[in-house]
Amino acid sequence: SQTIHQWPATLVQPVGSPLSLECTVEGTSNPNLYWYRQAAGRGLQLLFYSVGIGQISSEVPQNLSASRPQDRQFILSSKKLLLSDSGFYLCAWSISYTQYFGPGTRLTVL
Amino acid sequence: ELKVEQNPLFLSMQEGKNYTIYCNYSTTSDRLYWYRQDPGKSLESLFVLLSNGAVKQEGRLMASLDTKARLSTLHITAAVHDLSATYFCAVDRGNTGNQFYFGTGTSLTVIP
Repeated sequence: SQTIHQWPATLVQPVGSPLSLECTVEGTSNPNLYWYRQAAGRGLQLLFYSVGIGQISSEVPQNLSASRPQDRQFILSSKKLLLSDSGFYLCAWSISYTQYFGPGTRLTVL
Repeated sequence: ELKVEQNPLFLSMQEGKNYTIYCNYSTTSDRLYWYRQDPGKSLESLFVLLSNGAVKQEGRLMASLDTKARLSTLHITAAVHDLSATYFCAVDRGNTGNQFYFGTGTSLTVIP
């Protein structure tokens, strides 16, 4: 069966510091991968998606970037965090239709 | 820009009652999804609706899709406390990569 992992689970970072969030999927090959952000009490915003290694599409301009160095690994990064980057970051994977979500990383930028 | 609207945003209902959550979207799509999110947790897939007229049921929840009206409903029958959660609908834009656009969510509280 397929499993999706995210780490860290929680993170507190100062403004201006770098960020690296990691997502890995087990039990499937060549999945589509996604990064979403959920602000407190809000819906989900699609940030990036990837249909293959090295293929990244960005949905919203921001100071975040994503990379897919391996088939089942998706990384979300920032060089300098802003206060507005705080939120719940969710990674998801899909093969055909349904997207399956990881446990999430709760990021607080102070 | 694809917009997905849910109503109501907040719903408080008594156990045993019925209610419907509505999801309207602004562009043509034949694929709609419902998810559940418990507080502080990730999203759990509930239903996948892949064509006009699709109806899916699981326990006390039933979802339907009318692509011509661009409307999906999530009907709750005889609510129980365990159904308390936030429910999201998501529309698949249908391009490569299945880009989902999520509704604002409906926060459901079932009161014993």
